[in-house]
Amino acid sequence: GESVGLHLPTLSVQEGDNSIINCAYSNSASDYFIWYKQESGKGPQFIIDIRSNMDKRQGQRVTVLLNKTVKHLSLQIAATQPGDSAVYFCAENISYGGSQGNLIFGKGTKLSVKP
Amino acid sequence: NAGVTQTPKFRVLKTGQSMTLLCAQDMNHEYMYWYRQDPGMGLRLIHYSVGEGTTAKGEVPDGYNVSRLKKQNFLLGLESAAPSQTSVYFCASSSRADNEQFFGPGTRLTVL
Repeated sequence: GESVGLHLPTLSVQEGDNSIINCAYSNSASDYFIWYKQESGKGPQFIIDIRSNMDKRQGQRVTVLLNKTVKHLSLQIAATQPGDSAVYFCAENISYGGSQGNLIFGKGTKLSVKP
Repeated sequence: NAGVTQTPKFRVLKTGQSMTLLCAQDMNHEYMYWYRQDPGMGLRLIHYSVGEGTTAKGEVPDGYNVSRLKKQNFLLGLESAAPSQTSVYFCASSSRADNEQFFGPGTRLTVL
Protein backbone atom coordinates (compact mmCIF):
# COMPACT_ATOMS: atom_id res chain seq x y z
CA GLY A 1 0.00 0.00 0.00
CA GLU A 2 0.95 3.66 -0.14
CA SER A 3 3.25 4.93 2.52
CA VAL A 4 1.62 8.34 2.52
CA GLY A 5 -1.96 8.76 3.62
CA LEU A 6 -4.31 11.45 4.74
CA HIS A 7 -6.43 11.57 7.86
CA LEU A 8 -9.46 13.18 6.19
CA PRO A 9 -10.62 12.73 2.60
CA THR A 10 -12.76 15.90 2.67
CA LEU A 11 -12.60 19.16 4.53
CA SER A 12 -15.14 21.94 4.46
CA VAL A 13 -14.30 25.36 5.91
CA GLN A 14 -15.86 28.78 6.01
CA GLU A 15 -14.28 31.52 3.96
CA GLY A 16 -11.85 33.45 6.12
CA ASP A 17 -11.20 30.58 8.52
CA ASN A 18 -7.91 28.73 8.74
CA SER A 19 -7.61 25.27 7.18
CA ILE A 20 -5.46 22.42 8.39
CA ILE A 21 -4.83 19.42 6.15
CA ASN A 22 -3.03 16.47 7.67
CA CYS A 23 -0.83 13.78 6.23
CA ALA A 24 0.84 10.73 7.75
CA TYR A 25 3.85 9.00 6.29
CA SER A 26 5.26 5.64 7.23
CA ASN A 27 8.86 5.70 6.00
CA SER A 28 11.20 7.24 8.54
CA ALA A 29 13.87 7.54 5.81
CA SER A 30 11.80 10.08 3.90
CA ASP A 31 13.74 13.32 3.82
CA TYR A 32 11.76 15.65 1.58
CA PHE A 33 8.07 16.48 1.53
CA ILE A 34 5.90 18.50 -0.81
CA TRP A 35 2.35 19.77 -0.81
CA TYR A 36 0.55 20.10 -4.10
CA LYS A 37 -2.76 21.71 -4.98
CA GLN A 38 -4.83 20.30 -7.82
CA GLU A 39 -7.81 22.14 -9.21
CA SER A 40 -10.40 20.31 -11.24
CA GLY A 41 -9.15 19.45 -14.72
CA LYS A 42 -5.62 20.70 -14.09
CA GLY A 43 -2.26 19.28 -13.17
CA PRO A 44 -0.89 19.45 -9.61
CA GLN A 45 0.61 22.78 -8.66
CA PHE A 46 3.44 23.14 -6.16
CA ILE A 47 2.51 24.90 -2.92
CA ILE A 48 5.35 24.44 -0.49
CA ASP A 49 8.02 21.94 0.45
CA ILE A 50 10.07 21.07 3.51
CA ARG A 51 13.18 19.03 4.13
CA SER A 52 13.66 16.73 7.07
CA ASN A 53 16.16 19.01 8.77
CA MET A 54 13.36 21.51 9.38
CA ASP A 55 10.12 21.29 11.35
CA LYS A 56 8.35 24.34 10.00
CA ARG A 57 8.34 26.37 6.85
CA GLN A 58 6.17 29.33 5.90
CA GLY A 59 5.04 30.66 2.58
CA GLN A 60 2.42 33.13 1.53
CA ARG A 61 -0.65 32.24 3.65
CA VAL A 62 0.60 28.66 3.97
CA THR A 63 2.66 26.90 6.61
CA VAL A 64 3.91 23.34 6.56
CA LEU A 65 4.71 21.57 9.81
CA LEU A 66 6.77 18.41 10.00
CA ASN A 67 6.80 16.16 13.06
CA LYS A 68 9.34 13.43 12.43
CA THR A 69 8.72 11.81 15.79
CA VAL A 70 5.20 10.75 14.82
CA LYS A 71 5.79 10.92 11.05
CA HIS A 72 3.16 13.57 10.49
CA LEU A 73 2.94 16.45 8.07
CA SER A 74 0.38 19.22 7.99
CA LEU A 75 -0.51 22.11 5.72
CA GLN A 76 -2.07 25.18 7.25
CA ILE A 77 -3.82 27.72 5.05
CA ALA A 78 -4.56 31.06 6.66
CA ALA A 79 -7.68 33.05 5.83
CA THR A 80 -8.98 30.42 3.43
CA GLN A 81 -10.44 31.82 0.22
CA PRO A 82 -12.82 30.32 -2.37
CA GLY A 83 -9.86 30.02 -4.73
CA ASP A 84 -8.27 27.59 -2.28
CA SER A 85 -10.94 25.01 -3.07
CA ALA A 86 -9.10 22.07 -4.59
CA VAL A 87 -7.64 18.67 -3.80
CA TYR A 88 -4.44 18.81 -1.79
CA PHE A 89 -1.82 16.10 -2.01
CA CYS A 90 1.15 15.50 0.18
CA ALA A 91 4.11 13.61 -1.22
CA GLU A 92 7.27 12.22 0.31
CA ASN A 93 10.64 11.56 -1.24
CA ILE A 94 13.42 9.27 -0.18
CA SER A 95 16.81 10.06 -1.66
CA TYR A 96 19.14 7.12 -1.62
CA GLY A 97 22.51 8.71 -1.03
CA GLY A 98 22.01 11.29 -3.76
CA SER A 99 20.71 8.89 -6.38
CA GLN A 100 17.20 8.90 -7.75
CA GLY A 101 14.40 9.09 -5.27
CA ASN A 102 10.77 9.14 -6.28
CA LEU A 103 7.82 11.05 -4.93
CA ILE A 104 5.14 8.95 -3.31
CA PHE A 105 1.77 10.67 -3.28
CA GLY A 106 -1.08 10.35 -0.86
CA LYS A 107 -4.66 10.01 -2.09
CA GLY A 108 -5.52 13.64 -1.44
CA THR A 109 -7.88 15.76 0.65
CA LYS A 110 -10.63 17.74 -1.01
CA LEU A 111 -10.94 21.22 0.48
CA SER A 112 -14.24 23.03 -0.01
CA VAL A 113 -14.56 26.66 1.00
CA LYS A 114 -18.01 27.93 1.86
CA PRO A 115 -18.69 31.59 1.12
CA ASN B 1 8.51 29.60 -20.77
CA ALA B 2 5.76 27.11 -21.50
CA GLY B 3 6.88 24.84 -18.65
CA VAL B 4 5.63 21.30 -19.18
CA THR B 5 3.31 20.63 -22.08
CA GLN B 6 1.47 17.45 -23.03
CA THR B 7 -0.17 16.33 -26.24
CA PRO B 8 -2.84 15.31 -26.88
CA LYS B 9 -5.21 16.64 -24.20
CA PHE B 10 -7.85 14.01 -24.85
CA ARG B 11 -7.89 10.70 -26.66
CA VAL B 12 -10.30 7.79 -27.09
CA LEU B 13 -8.89 4.42 -28.11
CA LYS B 14 -10.35 1.03 -28.81
CA THR B 15 -8.96 -1.99 -27.00
CA GLY B 16 -5.80 -3.19 -28.73
CA GLN B 17 -4.94 0.10 -30.40
CA SER B 18 -1.63 1.80 -29.77
CA MET B 19 -0.73 5.40 -29.15
CA THR B 20 2.04 7.67 -27.92
CA LEU B 21 1.72 10.53 -25.47
CA LEU B 22 4.22 13.33 -25.82
CA CYS B 23 5.63 15.39 -22.98
CA ALA B 24 7.89 18.38 -23.53
CA GLN B 25 9.64 20.68 -21.05
CA ASP B 26 11.62 23.84 -21.69
CA MET B 27 13.27 24.17 -18.28
CA ASN B 28 16.36 22.08 -19.11
CA HIS B 29 15.39 19.58 -16.42
CA GLU B 30 17.25 16.30 -16.16
CA TYR B 31 14.44 14.31 -14.56
CA MET B 32 11.14 13.52 -16.20
CA TYR B 33 8.23 11.39 -15.03
CA TRP B 34 4.99 9.85 -16.21
CA TYR B 35 2.15 9.34 -13.72
CA ARG B 36 -1.38 8.10 -13.96
CA GLN B 37 -4.21 9.37 -11.81
CA ASP B 38 -7.41 7.42 -11.26
CA PRO B 39 -10.57 8.69 -9.50
CA GLY B 40 -10.07 9.07 -5.79
CA MET B 41 -6.43 8.10 -6.07
CA GLY B 42 -3.19 9.93 -5.81
CA LEU B 43 -0.63 9.92 -8.58
CA ARG B 44 1.12 6.66 -9.34
CA LEU B 45 4.48 6.64 -11.08
CA ILE B 46 4.62 4.67 -14.33
CA HIS B 47 8.14 5.33 -15.62
CA TYR B 48 10.75 7.98 -15.12
CA SER B 49 14.01 9.20 -16.60
CA VAL B 50 17.06 10.65 -14.90
CA GLY B 51 18.55 12.03 -18.11
CA GLU B 52 18.62 11.83 -21.88
CA GLY B 53 18.81 8.25 -23.06
CA THR B 54 17.83 6.73 -19.70
CA THR B 55 14.54 5.30 -18.46
CA ALA B 56 13.46 3.33 -15.40
CA LYS B 57 10.33 1.61 -14.13
CA GLY B 58 8.11 3.16 -11.52
CA GLU B 59 5.31 1.68 -9.46
CA VAL B 60 2.95 0.65 -12.30
CA PRO B 61 5.01 0.13 -15.49
CA ASP B 62 3.19 -2.86 -17.03
CA GLY B 63 1.60 -2.16 -20.41
CA TYR B 64 3.64 1.01 -21.00
CA ASN B 65 6.93 1.86 -22.63
CA VAL B 66 8.86 5.11 -22.63
CA SER B 67 11.68 6.79 -24.48
CA ARG B 68 13.87 9.82 -23.78
CA LEU B 69 15.75 10.44 -27.00
CA LYS B 70 16.00 14.18 -26.37
CA LYS B 71 16.44 15.85 -23.02
CA GLN B 72 13.35 17.99 -23.45
CA ASN B 73 10.99 15.20 -24.51
CA PHE B 74 9.63 12.13 -22.73
CA LEU B 75 7.33 9.81 -24.67
CA LEU B 76 4.86 7.35 -23.15
CA GLY B 77 3.67 4.52 -25.37
CA LEU B 78 0.80 2.10 -25.08
CA GLU B 79 1.39 -0.81 -27.46
CA SER B 80 -1.98 -2.52 -26.98
CA ALA B 81 -4.41 -0.42 -25.01
CA ALA B 82 -6.68 -2.02 -22.41
CA PRO B 83 -9.73 -0.58 -20.61
CA SER B 84 -7.71 -0.68 -17.37
CA GLN B 85 -5.50 2.02 -18.86
CA THR B 86 -8.36 4.50 -18.93
CA SER B 87 -6.97 7.28 -16.77
CA VAL B 88 -5.58 10.78 -16.69
CA TYR B 89 -1.89 10.85 -17.46
CA PHE B 90 0.42 13.51 -16.10
CA CYS B 91 3.96 14.26 -17.08
CA ALA B 92 6.34 16.08 -14.75
CA SER B 93 9.92 17.26 -14.69
CA SER B 94 12.42 18.35 -12.07
CA SER B 95 15.98 19.56 -11.87
CA ARG B 96 16.90 17.10 -9.13
CA ALA B 97 15.43 13.97 -7.61
CA ASP B 98 14.74 15.66 -4.28
CA ASN B 99 13.24 18.80 -5.69
CA GLU B 100 9.93 20.21 -6.80
CA GLN B 101 8.33 18.49 -9.78
CA PHE B 102 6.55 20.65 -12.34
CA PHE B 103 3.47 19.04 -13.84
CA GLY B 104 1.85 19.29 -17.22
CA PRO B 105 -1.91 19.81 -17.72
CA GLY B 106 -2.63 16.11 -18.25
CA THR B 107 -3.98 13.83 -20.98
CA ARG B 108 -7.36 12.22 -20.47
CA LEU B 109 -7.34 8.78 -22.09
CA THR B 110 -10.37 6.55 -22.50
CA VAL B 111 -9.99 2.99 -23.74
CA LEU B 112 -13.22 1.38 -24.91
